[in-house]
Amino acid sequence: QVQLQESGPGLVKPSQTLSLTCTVSGDSISSGTYYWSWIRQPAGKGLEYLGRVYASGSTNYNPSLKSRVTMSVDTSRNQFSLELDSVTATDTAVYYCARLGAYYDQMDVWGKGTTVIVSS
Amino acid sequence: DIQMTQSPSSLSASVGDRVTITCRASQSIGNYLNWYQQKPGQAPNLLIYGASNLQTGVPLRFSGSKSGTDFTLTISSLQPEDFATYYCQQSYSTSEGLTFGGGTKVEIK
Repeated sequence: QVQLQESGPGLVKPSQTLSLTCTVSGDSISSGTYYWSWIRQPAGKGLEYLGRVYASGSTNYNPSLKSRVTMSVDTSRNQFSLELDSVTATDTAVYYCARLGAYYDQMDVWGKGTTVIVSS
Repeated sequence: DIQMTQSPSSLSASVGDRVTITCRASQSIGNYLNWYQQKPGQAPNLLIYGASNLQTGVPLRFSGSKSGTDFTLTISSLQPEDFATYYCQQSYSTSEGLTFGGGTKVEIK
């Protein structure tokens, strides 16, 4: 059974960098079968796709956040990561990692999510 | 970029009702449309992928269809566990981002 688990600080100061890691179990990122993605959801609001990363390190980002987002992969640890620069209060949200299924890029396995609050 | 307009934003229904939720794409996206269910405090759960393919383990009362750029999620007979928020998501353009619809909250009537 494939499982994803987000981890990282729950509180980040404004203007700093938000850093999260997603650990994958039950599947191998290095198999190259899937893309791996990040999604966020502010409290009481809808879902926002942040971007995706492949085993090779290739990435695609949401154009609205492209200048602030960096995603990377560590196949030796079976993890992928998100960095979001220059955060403000509007970046406060639940952050999810998810696996993207083949062909239709459906998010077929999700982590439980981690809450990140941006506040001084 | 591709916009996904989901309607209604909320609806009230009774157990046993047939429920339909619509998502309209701003341009042709083929069958690159996925549907998710999200319950409070939980991560979303994939229901339908590729417009009409039922994800493994999802009850048969859920179905998806397409007409042009309009996509429909149908729940044939609403069950108590189906009260949740539903989202569509296009995956046609990865360069523009995998955009979600605004969501439809299904509430008990």
